Amino acid sequence: QSALTQPPSASGSPGQSVTISCTGTSSDVGGYNYVSWYQQHPGKAPKLMIYEVSKRPSGVPDRFSGSKSGNTASLTVSGLQAEDEADYYCSSYAGSREVFGTGTKVTVV
Amino acid sequence: QVQLVQSGAEVKKPGSSVKVSCKASGGTFNSYAISWVRQAPGQGLEWMGGIIPVFGTANYAQKFQGRVTLTADESTRTAYMELSSLRPEDTAVYYCAREGFTSACDYWGQGTLVTVSS
Repeated sequence: QSALTQPPSASGSPGQSVTISCTGTSSDVGGYNYVSWYQQHPGKAPKLMIYEVSKRPSGVPDRFSGSKSGNTASLTVSGLQAEDEADYYCSSYAGSREVFGTGTKVTVV
Repeated sequence: QVQLVQSGAEVKKPGSSVKVSCKASGGTFNSYAISWVRQAPGQGLEWMGGIIPVFGTANYAQKFQGRVTLTADESTRTAYMELSSLRPEDTAVYYCAREGFTSACDYWGQGTLVTVSS
């Protein structure tokens, strides 16, 4: 039951786009369309940004988008803003359990 | 508005147990699962398990099987996570979260810091 693999870091300038990958297996990411993405600022609880691969909860800006191909899911943040600087985690349903990604620190340079 | 309020910080000795509570207000309690996620200092999120209060059935991550017990009291809308045989590496912030049928956690508690130290 290994964690999903994410790059440790990603960065972009304000207004640019950044894409974070989340690689699993056919037993989790590839097997279900239940991939979620969370944003976490230091000292805060995670916040749901994307669910079911590409759906946005109410209140989440449309700058955030999700997709999936095979065993890899992706989160794209377009039009980067200073407040987007945070840690991002993917998660996937894996058959009666959940698995999180290793996390990616997004820096707005 | 849904709100999950967790119990306060704990300091425990190695080998002891800790029980963290998570009280829900607003929204429905029984129709969702309550998941427990922990985060060690400077580390990532780790799913520990989840419970569906209306059924009282729980699923656990293999890593915690036998050491964690999840329960829920529908009458008080409160979920509990008990972790036994504590060791220093269990020092972490423990979160509860409401998980819908889409496997997404849309509401989170504020987190409970559990420190395990002799």
